[in-house]
Amino acid sequence: KAGVTQTPRYLIKTRGQQVTLSCSPISGHRSVSWYQQTPGQGLQFLFEYFSETQRNKGNFPGRFSGRQFSNSRSEMNVSTLELGDSALYLCASSLFTLSTDTQYFGPGTRLTVL
Amino acid sequence: AQTVTQSQPEMSVQEAETVTLSCTYDTSESDYYLFWYKQPPSRQMILVIRQEAYKQQNATENRFSVNFQKAAKSFSLKISDSQLGDAAMYFCAYYNQGGKLIFGQGTELSVKP
Repeated sequence: KAGVTQTPRYLIKTRGQQVTLSCSPISGHRSVSWYQQTPGQGLQFLFEYFSETQRNKGNFPGRFSGRQFSNSRSEMNVSTLELGDSALYLCASSLFTLSTDTQYFGPGTRLTVL
Repeated sequence: AQTVTQSQPEMSVQEAETVTLSCTYDTSESDYYLFWYKQPPSRQMILVIRQEAYKQQNATENRFSVNFQKAAKSFSLKISDSQLGDAAMYFCAYYNQGGKLIFGQGTELSVKP
């Protein structure tokens, strides 16, 4: 079974631009979560989607948004990029919930904002 | 709000020896889940072990085991017979029915041959 895939793997953007990151979960998984990893703030939960609905949300500004499609693929969008948005963005999928299932992570998208 | 603290930014162990990574957490809830994740230089996060708070028995996965002290809110990871491939950043994480996975700051483990 293929693992979680994320595209692109690397991105360079300038301040003020917007960016869209994509995540394809493991086949059959319906929950997709997004995390931001930075040296200063560590790993932080962004949001979780389940069956095309946002189920949980972290403490990030509205510039960060996401969506999930009927095939469970998910996209994350960041508008009006700031230097502080430079980070590794990780996507993870599970069947239903972390309470009962293992969450599998993708390799991440490295975003650099200049 | 729940918090997770890893007080050891770096740890080192000799190959074949045993090492213990510490983690404490703060919560007022009784039903939750705890995890240890490994992040090697490739940055691919891998689940090492999980513990359900309602289970008194400590979880074990081959060379990895935990010491879960619910009253003390402590969740340490013991790695036995350390191998070079165990070198990585290790993250302790907390999850409850609220749905957010909260990570500690991580402990970087190096393994000396």
